[in-house]
Amino acid sequence: QQQVKQSPQSLIVQKGGISIINCAYENTAFDYFPWYQQFPGKGPALLIAIRPDVSEKKEGRFTISFNKSAKQFSLHIMDSQPGDSATYFCAASMYNTDKLIFGTGTRLQVFP
Amino acid sequence: DGGITQSPKYLFRKEGQNVTLSCEQNLNHDAMYWYRQDPGQGLRLIYYSQIVNDFQKGDIAEGYSVSREKKESFPLTVTSAQKNPTAFYLCASSIGLAGGSEQFFGPGTRLTVL
Repeated sequence: QQQVKQSPQSLIVQKGGISIINCAYENTAFDYFPWYQQFPGKGPALLIAIRPDVSEKKEGRFTISFNKSAKQFSLHIMDSQPGDSATYFCAASMYNTDKLIFGTGTRLQVFP
Repeated sequence: DGGITQSPKYLFRKEGQNVTLSCEQNLNHDAMYWYRQDPGQGLRLIYYSQIVNDFQKGDIAEGYSVSREKKESFPLTVTSAQKNPTAFYLCASSIGLAGGSEQFFGPGTRLTVL
């Protein structure tokens, strides 16, 4: 019940295309869902996050879509660029803690 | 500049040795975390601390130990009891106890057992 399942494991997209990464969870006590971006040899950095009271959040080319009834959320990267090539992690935490449960990561490669 | 520093960046250990990884933050955060990252397995929580002089085991605490004597510092010791310690270790911090606040990560330490 504490798991966050992420797919796909890897993703190859052409420049200008849309990258979509999906995550699913079981624990209905989760109420904070961030996405982290990690470049090789670096620590992850927060990209965008959402709470379950909204179904979508957009920041620039990055959008989180959230489906509370299906217990799923996804990251959409519009107009994907080679600089977006990185590993992306979804995560979840419960209302009374900052302790995060991470997905297994998606390695995104954007080719020119 | 506020942030999290980890040292060393690379660390080599012989089998049977204990090694300590440093993590320091100047963000005035209450909570600090240690994660282990292996290829294809994401980030797994080793230990976390929500306040000075208190810490809790995460999902994979066996073979590791921590201390939290100061708010700014959360060192991780990888003991000889950890059977497969070669990995990328990440330290993070957050405001803590608030729920849903951002975790800030350090640059990581890559540990290799020779």
